[in-house]
Amino acid sequence: SYVLTQPPSVSVAPGQTARITCGGNNIGSKSVHWYQQKPGQAPVLVVYDDSDRPSGIPERFSGSNSGNTATLTISRVEAGDEADYYCQVWDSSSDHPGGVFGGGTKLTVL
Amino acid sequence: EVQLVESGGGLVQPGGSLRLSCAASGFTVSSNYMSWVRQAPGKGLEWVSVIYSGGSTYYADSVKGRFTISRDNSKNTLYLQMNSLRAEDTAVYYCARVDSGSYSFDYWGQGTLVTVSS
Repeated sequence: SYVLTQPPSVSVAPGQTARITCGGNNIGSKSVHWYQQKPGQAPVLVVYDDSDRPSGIPERFSGSNSGNTATLTISRVEAGDEADYYCQVWDSSSDHPGGVFGGGTKLTVL
Repeated sequence: EVQLVESGGGLVQPGGSLRLSCAASGFTVSSNYMSWVRQAPGKGLEWVSVIYSGGSTYYADSVKGRFTISRDNSKNTLYLQMNSLRAEDTAVYYCARVDSGSYSFDYWGQGTLVTVSS
């Protein structure tokens, strides 16, 4: 089955740029989606199809995907961005397709 | 407005059964792909199951043969029948709508907690 690898934690000072990576074999050939989850809340989609933003998501959230790494970039980080972030793809390569999530990255705003 | 509301969670003994429900509003369940995603305490997200609009169903290996996803079109509700429950099934279970173009989970419910313990 397909495996997505994320760093357990990323720390950044307010106003700086946070970059959260998601590694997978030839992930650049897949569509990658990113979710933000705050404590006690359901996940929220913040980027889909590598770099598109759902309505209501600030432009500070952006994404890229190439080769074996996808990246979620959060510009001008705010205290309210502190959360867990998960990448996700849909694995349709086998006869039993399904969702695949990365292990998650805890973003700490210093 | 799209809304998903799960119910049916609770405490169950190992080997027991439970049925989760997810009532949808603002869209038609049968016309969309719908999934269940779970999160064990302090852990990450784990995809569990999907039902396509055409009715095909798929499961994670960890639940295959024990869990069944279904829907009731008249009630616009998604279900997850969970049998032969194990301690490792303890988690918050979320229902989510799957965008059929991107295969992202664009709307989520608030989750319902399932605890498997004696």
